[in-house]
Amino acid sequence: AQSVTQLGSHVSVSEGALVLLRCNYSSSVPPYLFWYVQYPNQGLQLLLKYTTGATLVKGINGFEAEFKKSETSFHLTKPSAHMSDAAEYFCAVSVSWGSQGNLIFGKGTKLSVKP
Amino acid sequence: DSGVTQTPKHLITATGQRVTLRCSPRSGDLSVYWYQQSLDQGLQFLIQYYNGEERAKGNILERFSAQQFPDLHSELNLSSLELGDSALYFCASSVDPSGGASEQFFGPGTRLTVL
Repeated sequence: AQSVTQLGSHVSVSEGALVLLRCNYSSSVPPYLFWYVQYPNQGLQLLLKYTTGATLVKGINGFEAEFKKSETSFHLTKPSAHMSDAAEYFCAVSVSWGSQGNLIFGKGTKLSVKP
Repeated sequence: DSGVTQTPKHLITATGQRVTLRCSPRSGDLSVYWYQQSLDQGLQFLIQYYNGEERAKGNILERFSAQQFPDLHSELNLSSLELGDSALYFCASSVDPSGGASEQFFGPGTRLTVL
């Protein structure tokens, strides 16, 4: 069965600093992996996804993530944090067989950005 | 705006009552997913419908049921409500019936408060 672990429920960085949000997954089959962002009082928005091919995935708002099969990781990074990046971030793995495709989410990491 | 609409935005009701949450997927999307977000459990998959048929079930209680109508909108029915059912309920849709690599687009959610 698939599962996702996000290390750190809360991460705080200074504006301009590197953002690193950690995600490890467990999957018995090649996974599809996603990062979603949730701003306060809003729904989830896709940042990026890994399906197949290139292991370094670029997303919106300057975020990127690298799929490392040997480490079963899919960490999210951004070189320079902006105040507008403050939000909650969710890593997810897709259950995919037949016509099913629901997402299994990690517990989320709340990112705070200090001026 | 993801193109997924959910009504109502907020719902306050009492224990033992029944409520219906409504979701309209993005135009052209045949798959609808329901998720529950609570502080205790995080984001959990409840149920998936594809073109009117149930395709996958997650941690959905027997008191909860859903359906997808011919016009593809979906309703989530919650009955015999308990305090612990208070949560944010999200609907998501995707175009690919097999899910997996397809992005799921999330609605803004319905916040249910059970008093």
